[in-house]
Amino acid sequence: RKEVEQDPGPFNVPEGATVAFNCTYSNSASQSFFWYRQDCRKEPKLLMSVYSSGNEDGRFTAQLNRASQYISLLIRDSKLSDSATYLCVVTNTNAGKSTFGDGTTLTVKP
Amino acid sequence: EAGVAQSPRYKIIEKRQSVAFWCNPISGHATLYWYQQILGQGPKLLIQFQNNGVVDDSQLPKDRFSAERLKGVDSTLKIQPAKLEDSAVYLCASSADRPRGAINEKLFFGSGTQLSVL
Repeated sequence: RKEVEQDPGPFNVPEGATVAFNCTYSNSASQSFFWYRQDCRKEPKLLMSVYSSGNEDGRFTAQLNRASQYISLLIRDSKLSDSATYLCVVTNTNAGKSTFGDGTTLTVKP
Repeated sequence: EAGVAQSPRYKIIEKRQSVAFWCNPISGHATLYWYQQILGQGPKLLIQFQNNGVVDDSQLPKDRFSAERLKGVDSTLKIQPAKLEDSAVYLCASSADRPRGAINEKLFFGSGTQLSVL
């Protein structure tokens, strides 16, 4: 079983739709969680950190469920520019090790 | 602020040849990472440096891969000899130093080197 698992998709949604991605992790010692965005043929870039209380940044909402060991990313009012691969990252800060999921691909269509 | 610099951008070699990649992290970032990203997969950590010391190289195929960061700044990753399955994008990343146990600073990635082994 992979340490970090994501639904690869692809998710094909129309503009304006709401879409949610989930990510599960197996290491209960994980302490920090992030979502990165990766455009085609580009490097990953941090989208947002994920906090226990949940956090929101504009149209993006991230949530963490430690008991069930999953994190989620919700995108409201999807834009064409949201088309990308979204990578879940789980970090064991004591070990200083970050593990990436394989990503979920989103395509937003007009 | 200058980002993470990597070169070359692309490299095509034949199997059994050698190849080297270079990375210059963001100035002042103590931690440097090399990741391998195979098409359709997430980045996989190959090696992590803190200054010029190795923190984690558990997933580095040491029979053919080597990396160094001699002066604690820029780094090189070498593959010798290359195999077909080494075809991937090699990403270098850096992060600011944080005390162990603190929430990690975000990773800043370079543009990567796309390696094709024929």
